[in-house]
Amino acid sequence: KAGVTQTPRYLIKTRGQQVTLSCSPISGHRSVSWYQQTPGQGLQFLFEYFSETQRNKGNFPGRFSGRQFSNSRSEMNVSTLELGDSALYLCASSLARDTEAFFGQGTRLTVV
Amino acid sequence: GIQVEQSPPDLILQEGANSTLRCNFSDSVNNLQWFHQNPWGQLINLFYIPSGTKQNGRLSATTVATERYSLLYISSSQTTDSGVYFCAVHTNAGKSTFGDGTTLTVKP
Repeated sequence: KAGVTQTPRYLIKTRGQQVTLSCSPISGHRSVSWYQQTPGQGLQFLFEYFSETQRNKGNFPGRFSGRQFSNSRSEMNVSTLELGDSALYLCASSLARDTEAFFGQGTRLTVV
Repeated sequence: GIQVEQSPPDLILQEGANSTLRCNFSDSVNNLQWFHQNPWGQLINLFYIPSGTKQNGRLSATTVATERYSLLYISSSQTTDSGVYFCAVHTNAGKSTFGDGTTLTVKP
């Protein structure tokens, strides 16, 4: 059974650009959550999607957005990148909300 | 929002020693997970343990939900156990809140 797949694994972007990250959950899982990990702030919740609807959102500016497709795959988008957006972005999938979460390998974004 | 505190922040052990990592949380939770983050950043599931005790080889975990804490036990530690251990709690709000982690270093 394939795990959670995140693409790309590494990304370098210039300040002001936008970026789209992708997450394919475990087959059959309908809930996808996104997290940002930085050395200073630790692991912070970005948003949660279930059945193509955003169910919960963390305390991040509107530059951070996401969506979920009918096959449960999810994308997150960051517009007008700032240096402080450099981080490891982790995606987690679970069968349903509040059930065991499984994480992907992450996308390491560097903004220069 | 809910607060999650992990202790100790850092732990250095000699190979073969036992250790206990603690996770305290400030409010009721739907469930709790323990993870080990590998050097490449991936979070590896250790336990999904909203309450009670579970064991998996040299690792075991106990969650006492009524007292709002969970413990992760590592016995006969090995150098490969080194890394960061995270506790994450799921609340009624449907999101996970992570502690700051415990960085474990096991020396040969």
